[in-house]
Amino acid sequence: DTGVSQDPRHKITKRGQNVTFRCDPISEHNRLYWYRQTLGQGPEFLTYFQNEAQLEKSRLLSDRFSAERPKGSFSTLEIQRTEQGDSAMYLCASSTGTSERWADTQYFGPGTRLTVL
Amino acid sequence: AQKITQTQPGMFVQEKEAVTLDCTYDTSDQSYGLFWYKQPSSGEMIFLIYQGSYDEQNATEGRYSLNFQKARKSANLVISASQLGDSAMYFCAMRVEAGGTSYGKLTFGQGTILTVHP
Repeated sequence: DTGVSQDPRHKITKRGQNVTFRCDPISEHNRLYWYRQTLGQGPEFLTYFQNEAQLEKSRLLSDRFSAERPKGSFSTLEIQRTEQGDSAMYLCASSTGTSERWADTQYFGPGTRLTVL
Repeated sequence: AQKITQTQPGMFVQEKEAVTLDCTYDTSDQSYGLFWYKQPSSGEMIFLIYQGSYDEQNATEGRYSLNFQKARKSANLVISASQLGDSAMYFCAMRVEAGGTSYGKLTFGQGTILTVHP
């Protein structure tokens, strides 16, 4: 069973450093999402790709954040000049995109836990 | 804007008993989906059950059922015959479609921590 995978699972970095996370969606899922979850809260939407096109971005996605999905398969999320407030769990999800859009179930990966010192 | 409210920060249940986790939602959209996810301490979000706004029957998936009351805008999760492995955080979430634009995001509630006692 090849679910959504994310790498790394944990990342500890110093403030000001750049970090990059990778997400591999379920095979043939053409929709990919990034969320951020801080302790004790529900996940918050960051951005959404349909194939290689980035169709929606949250205002949470500041200029220091950039996401790509160059060939419509895996995706990367980069954070430049990290700040302590960036410490969170970064979750990736994917969906088939074939059902009615509000019924399109998103399947999540295990997440990348980022700690900024 | 969409909003999900989960008013129970924590719930306790005895093993083998049923438990209901509350969820209310707010949206002006007619087409929407409601989802429940389970998040164990490992962190992964596990999809449990889905209910569409046009579905006339309440959704069921094994021990999980969704008590959907559209007029009250509530979508409570019922777990029957609780097991120790059900101890986790549970999130209610919603996705809408408005005006033909694809809104990709799920909007989540704050979550409810469920503890199952032996």
